[in-house]
Amino acid sequence: GNSVTQMEGPVTLSEEAFLTINCTYTATGYPSLFWYVQYPGEGLQLLLKATKADDKGSNKGFEATYRKETTSFHLEKGSVQVSDSAVYFCALRENSGGSNYKLTFGKGTLLTVNP
Amino acid sequence: KAGVTQTPRYLIKTRGQQVTLSCSPISGHRSVSWYQQTPGQGLQFLFEYFSETQRNKGNFPGRFSGRQFSNSRSEMNVSTLELGDSALYLCASSPRSIGGADEQFFGPGTRLTVL
Repeated sequence: GNSVTQMEGPVTLSEEAFLTINCTYTATGYPSLFWYVQYPGEGLQLLLKATKADDKGSNKGFEATYRKETTSFHLEKGSVQVSDSAVYFCALRENSGGSNYKLTFGKGTLLTVNP
Repeated sequence: KAGVTQTPRYLIKTRGQQVTLSCSPISGHRSVSWYQQTPGQGLQFLFEYFSETQRNKGNFPGRFSGRQFSNSRSEMNVSTLELGDSALYLCASSPRSIGGADEQFFGPGTRLTVL
């Protein structure tokens, strides 16, 4: 079956530091890949996505590139802010003719950014 | 557009009781998915409804059920509650257009505590 493995947290950084959160996946076929972010007490918000190999998703300074050869989708940001403190989830969805809307999530990585 | 709304936001029940959670999708969205989030198991897919029919189902016991109404609003029901059912239950909606590349928009969740 499908699975997503992301680096265990928590991750603690100082403001303006570089962020990498690793994510690798196992899937049949060619899934779409997502990063979601969850702020305290809230639901999940889509941060970025990529639907095919070599696509780069980007939003709010965050980037991730769909690497089929390494089955990875690592999240990066060049300079984090205190407001980026949240839990980050990597997820995949199989693209089987639009019939499968199930998201498979990683365990989540808690990021804390200190001023 | 209003986002995904879930009611109630918080719920406390005792073992053996049953509970019904409600989700109203974004206007025009026809797919509603449900997820359970716990510290131990992370985010797990429960089921997805589209056009009032269950389209996908995760690996949960039959105590977990759901339905979708003609206006796309969805409810999930958990019968004979167990302590392990304590979790954040998230609902997500999507237009579910042809091609299957839509993102899912999440609600804030219902926090269920079973005593």
